[in-house]
Amino acid sequence: LAKTTQPISMDSYEGQEVNITCSHNNIATNDYITWYQQFPSQGPRFIIQGYKTKVTNEVASLFIPADRKSSTLSLPRVSLSDTAVYYCLVGEWGWTGNTPLVFGKGTRLSVIA
Amino acid sequence: DAGVTQSPTHLIKTRGQQVTLRCSPISGHKSVSWYQQVLGQGPQFIFQYYEKEERGRGNFPDRFSARQFPNYSSELNVNALLLGDSALYLCASSTPGLAAYNEQFFGPGTRLTVL
Repeated sequence: LAKTTQPISMDSYEGQEVNITCSHNNIATNDYITWYQQFPSQGPRFIIQGYKTKVTNEVASLFIPADRKSSTLSLPRVSLSDTAVYYCLVGEWGWTGNTPLVFGKGTRLSVIA
Repeated sequence: DAGVTQSPTHLIKTRGQQVTLRCSPISGHKSVSWYQQVLGQGPQFIFQYYEKEERGRGNFPDRFSARQFPNYSSELNVNALLLGDSALYLCASSTPGLAAYNEQFFGPGTRLTVL
């Protein structure tokens, strides 16, 4: 499984756009890029997933350049409730019945009023 | 619809004891995975079960075991507890056919403290 590197922490003011970049230089052809969010004392929650170019949903956008060696999670106009740890994961697509998620240490985002 | 449920919420044990943690997946989900999360770290994969068979095992000692029942609920057992087993134990469920690959739905976890 490809190893990922992301900043340990980030601070932002409310209302700003936050971009968290993740490096995954050894990403394989079959790998998808997935982001999870975790609030204190809760389990992680799936945010967004992509393979290439740009993916957008009601929560975030995910930008993936052509070489796929990095990706950027973009959170528009953050609020205090977006304070959480954000994990970037890379793993093979397709269902095999054996798809463990490999988490790094994540990025701790603190949103300040 | 109910999400993934785990019991108990909190648990305090002493070294050497045994513990059983329980998980009920989302209705219709056939795969259950267990993760251990120590303070300040990301979750680490312990086991995955699909259709009541073990499909994956992480780098954990044999003191850790699990099983999945016909109703797809699961138990995680840890024997001979060590201080280092203190962590948040997370259960996640998933199933083929989800819109996003590798999407797993996590429960709130069981906080285990070993004294």
